[in-house]
Amino acid sequence: DTAVSQTPKYLVTQMGNDKSIKCEQNLGHDTMYWYKQDSKKFLKIMFSYNNKELIINETVPNRFSPKSPDKAHLNLHINSLELGDSAVYFCASSFMGVAGFTDTQYFGPGTRLTVL
Amino acid sequence: GDSVTQMEGPVTLSEEAFLTINCTYTATGYPSLFWYVQYPGEGLQLLLKATKADDKGSNKGFEATYRKETTSFHLEKGSVQVSDSAVYFCALSAPSNDYKLSFGAGTTVTVRA
Repeated sequence: DTAVSQTPKYLVTQMGNDKSIKCEQNLGHDTMYWYKQDSKKFLKIMFSYNNKELIINETVPNRFSPKSPDKAHLNLHINSLELGDSAVYFCASSFMGVAGFTDTQYFGPGTRLTVL
Repeated sequence: GDSVTQMEGPVTLSEEAFLTINCTYTATGYPSLFWYVQYPGEGLQLLLKATKADDKGSNKGFEATYRKETTSFHLEKGSVQVSDSAVYFCALSAPSNDYKLSFGAGTTVTVRA
């Protein structure tokens, strides 16, 4: 009974390619997130969707485009991949309560992207 | 902006040793504070949290107390095991930061048998 799942777990590709990472949660949460973890383990939020609506869009190149077809899914598409995009990408989900308060976030296992 | 600063690692300990990982925060107002743990090859999972001053979060033998006067949320465990080897992240969520989770840099802990 995986709570937050991501596919693929590993992704190796050439510079300039376009790739997608998929995320699904079965926790009934209304909010989903994408994080990037660099080689030094530093975590930074990229995007967040609440009920399919984009609510957080950090300073991320527009080559990155999230898509949320429904509350349980949040996919990340990356165009024209660059060497610097190599990282581990984590999906997460949570409930969002009153006044935007964010409850505990549950993370997926991560997708290790390597751009050659 | 709101941020957390945690002690740099790596930290290497022997089994049954006492572990402390320092975390201090900067925030406008009253944030919620969290410790997340990332075991090798896995995603992050919540270890414990505290939502107001003087609250103590605890789980799996770990504890942290929300200290408003010192703006700290230090993580402690009295007797670590090899299975506690992981990366530990301090994080905060605050209305002044649109409730985004802001993470510290992470502290890698290795426990030797």
